[in-house]
Amino acid sequence: GAGVSQSPRYKVAKRGQDVALRCDPISGHVSLFWYQQALGQGPEFLTYFQNEAQLDKSGLPSDRFFAERPEGSVSTLKIQRTQQEDSAVYLCASSLGAYTGELFFGEGSRLTVL
Amino acid sequence: DAKTTQPTSMDCAEGRAANLPCNHSTISGNEYVYWYRQIHSQGPQYIIHGLKNNETNEMASLIITEDRKSSTLILPHATLRDTAVYYCIVRVASGGGADGLTFGKGTHLIIQP
Repeated sequence: GAGVSQSPRYKVAKRGQDVALRCDPISGHVSLFWYQQALGQGPEFLTYFQNEAQLDKSGLPSDRFFAERPEGSVSTLKIQRTQQEDSAVYLCASSLGAYTGELFFGEGSRLTVL
Repeated sequence: DAKTTQPTSMDCAEGRAANLPCNHSTISGNEYVYWYRQIHSQGPQYIIHGLKNNETNEMASLIITEDRKSSTLILPHATLRDTAVYYCIVRVASGGGADGLTFGKGTHLIIQP
């Protein structure tokens, strides 16, 4: 498809499990962002990649959160030892250039931790 | 990034123009105003952005006051599909990717049939 694709769309995990969320950005897009959106709130920045380089990870809430984009295309957000407060929609966005504010978002991965 | 203030919710009749206000009184000279919207269960969607001149595209118009302390997003002929949360964001144009977007809570626009 032409848009940003995220998988899985829905994930239910038991507390303590590890999860991995995948993002396929638009082909050729340099920048890739991860956001976390809690119910009723706006998206909150987690981390940013420019090609394969993770230039900012200041929004990751704890060291249980890890993101990678090894070949500058597909990205994975991993959450270790999930907690109930990790329940949220995780949004991935990409943009063509390094500095543009026009981001293209995927539909998100909804994580529910029981 | 400068902070923005938006009403929590607004109603508009279908077919009428929807005017969504945003205050950004502490905006800096190099910060742009961006508007995104998020329809239920979807990711945010870019609408429009501007620096100081008014802007128009196929989706909407953006009116920025001369002092740049506020702006209005105008949807000229609202339809039921325009029901969404609308986010007004200010952002430095060349601040690097991490100066991406800082979302607030936005305005929940409800289009009434």
